Amino acid sequence: DAGVIQSPRHEVTEMGQEVTLRCKPISGHDYLFWYRQTMMRGLELLIYFNNNVPIDDSGMPEDRFSAKMPNASFSTLKIQPSEPRDSAVYFCASTPQGKGNTEAFFGQGTRLTVV
Amino acid sequence: GENVEQHPSTLSVQEGDSAVIKCTYSDSASNYFPWYKQELGKRPQLIIDIRSNVGEKKDQRIAVTLNKTAKHFSLHITETQPEDSAVYFCAASGVRGGSYIPTFGRGTSLIVHP
Repeated sequence: DAGVIQSPRHEVTEMGQEVTLRCKPISGHDYLFWYRQTMMRGLELLIYFNNNVPIDDSGMPEDRFSAKMPNASFSTLKIQPSEPRDSAVYFCASTPQGKGNTEAFFGQGTRLTVV
Repeated sequence: GENVEQHPSTLSVQEGDSAVIKCTYSDSASNYFPWYKQELGKRPQLIIDIRSNVGEKKDQRIAVTLNKTAKHFSLHITETQPEDSAVYFCAASGVRGGSYIPTFGRGTSLIVHP
């Protein structure tokens, strides 16, 4: 397996534009997490899915952020409209089926810059 | 929910010295404590973990200790090498939304000087 795959690796966009980040979890993993990493706050959990269902989105900072998981192999994180303070590295991670409390496998991350 | 505090935020050591990173957690029901290493520009990757029924675990130069009563756990790296330079994250898996979910500390930037 190629591991968790995220795209794009880098995204530069202008303030006000819509941004969509994509994630393909490891096959068979039924937990999927979206994290945001900044120097000030470290790794923050934004939302997580179990079996494609959003379970806890309390970490999503504002209504401008939304996430979907239409099937077991694909998830998106959308920011609309984007703002400069959204600039960060966004990681997707997945964990094996039925075991939320075990190693999380991270994707390479998407570095988002909003100018 | 779970809250994880990690210290120090930056740690600078000479090659060969030991390094210790400490974390505290708030949820007594947390039962899994992984440590991740993130090299510059790379993804976080698991280096060692410990479950709540164990007090200490060692893997070559790295070890983790857990004190459930005090709700703190630590990462120990002995004989540090320049390639140990990275950001280290601790995490505690507590119940959130009905499942055990890792909450991460803010990270420790370890710098090993040759």
